[in-house]
Amino acid sequence: QKEVEQNSGPLSVPEGAIASLNCTYSDRGSQSFFWYRQYSGKSPELIMFIYSNGDKEDGRFTAQLNKASQYVSLLIRDSQPSDSATYLCAADTGGASKIIFGSGTRLSIRP
Amino acid sequence: NAGVTQTPKFQVLKTGQSMTLQCAQDMNHNSMYWYRQDPGMGLRLIYYSASEGTTDKGEVPNGYNVSRLNKREFSLRLESAAPSQTSVYFCASSEGGAQAFFGQGTRLTVV
Repeated sequence: QKEVEQNSGPLSVPEGAIASLNCTYSDRGSQSFFWYRQYSGKSPELIMFIYSNGDKEDGRFTAQLNKASQYVSLLIRDSQPSDSATYLCAADTGGASKIIFGSGTRLSIRP
Repeated sequence: NAGVTQTPKFQVLKTGQSMTLQCAQDMNHNSMYWYRQDPGMGLRLIYYSASEGTTDKGEVPNGYNVSRLNKREFSLRLESAAPSQTSVYFCASSEGGAQAFFGQGTRLTVV
């Protein structure tokens, strides 16, 4: 079983709507969780991180963490065509010295 | 501030050839990572180094070796390249459980 799981998509969302991306992880010892955005041919870039249960908001992005369910999500409000990318979920494992990524969800925002 | 620098950006190898991918970071991070990215597979961890002088295997270490030369540098070596090692390789660094910063990537083709 992969340590971090995501649906590969593609997820198609109309412009202006809310995009919801989900991720589960297997290591209960994980403390830090990250969402990266990756445009085609580019390096991943961090857009959100979360350490505590609950919600964390930053502009149009909200990260949600539920440690009991081992579930992390990312909400993107007012989706824009520029949000079209692959979103990678990541978690630290192995005592915070190893960062493991999911396979990524491809998001497409249709005008 | 360069962040994480990888060289080369592109490389074509013949089956059986060897090469070393170089990575250096200037953020004084303890942890460094090598990932490979294949279509639909997200980022898979090859090797990581939690601190200078230590290295550990990740998810897909076979066919690779690494050296943590000092705190700044972490190299990845392919001793005898195989077509299955055709991929995009990313080096990254982080501090503890904090976010990973990525290099620009190396596109490697083995023919």
